[in-house]
Amino acid sequence: EVQLLESGGGLVQPGGSLRLSCAASGFSFSSYVMNWVRQAPGKGLEWVSVISSTSGNTYYADSVKGRFTISRDNSKNTLYLQMDSLRTEDTAVYYCAKRGKEPCFDYWGQGTLVTVSS
Amino acid sequence: EIVLTQSPGTLSLSPGERATLSCRASQSVSSSSLAWYQQKPGQAPRLLIYGASSRATGVPDRFSGSGSGTDFTLTISRLESEDFAVYYCQQFGSSAVTFGQGTKLEIK
Repeated sequence: EVQLLESGGGLVQPGGSLRLSCAASGFSFSSYVMNWVRQAPGKGLEWVSVISSTSGNTYYADSVKGRFTISRDNSKNTLYLQMDSLRTEDTAVYYCAKRGKEPCFDYWGQGTLVTVSS
Repeated sequence: EIVLTQSPGTLSLSPGERATLSCRASQSVSSSSLAWYQQKPGQAPRLLIYGASSRATGVPDRFSGSGSGTDFTLTISRLESEDFAVYYCQQFGSSAVTFGQGTKLEIK
């Protein structure tokens, strides 16, 4: 059974940093592209970042470019999101999502809440 | 960046009725790159449709997707109580992914 378990969320002040983790199991993690998606309270889904299976390629939404860094450790089956220079508008539930063999996100984690507030 | 616009914003229907949800792209989208998701309160999104018209594993056949180019549709043939939720379309570009703003399907 595929499982994605995010952790690392919490309350942080504006300008602060946080690192999210997503522990994967039940599939060959090193073979799949992985993504982060966020959802502000009461709002829709916003794609944040993607990383290729070998970490060779990464892309970011314009809203986080230069502040967030996606990475992965295939030996630990874990995806990361380093978030720096956090802003109040980064407050959201952050989901990790596995890309399927077709263009889609076939599995999602349960999400971790990040709150940026003074 | 391709913008996806979903309509209507809210759809009020009764169980047993047919639901038709629209997703319009600002420029042509490859059908293979269009997906639909269902999200219930407090839950992560769930994949329903990929490749514009292929149902994901375990998705009931009352859900169907269609469309091409800039206009795509998610149809629920006969609504059941568990179908009332928010629905999002999604497209995959060369490097970025975008979602529509969502359609809330509520019980009338």
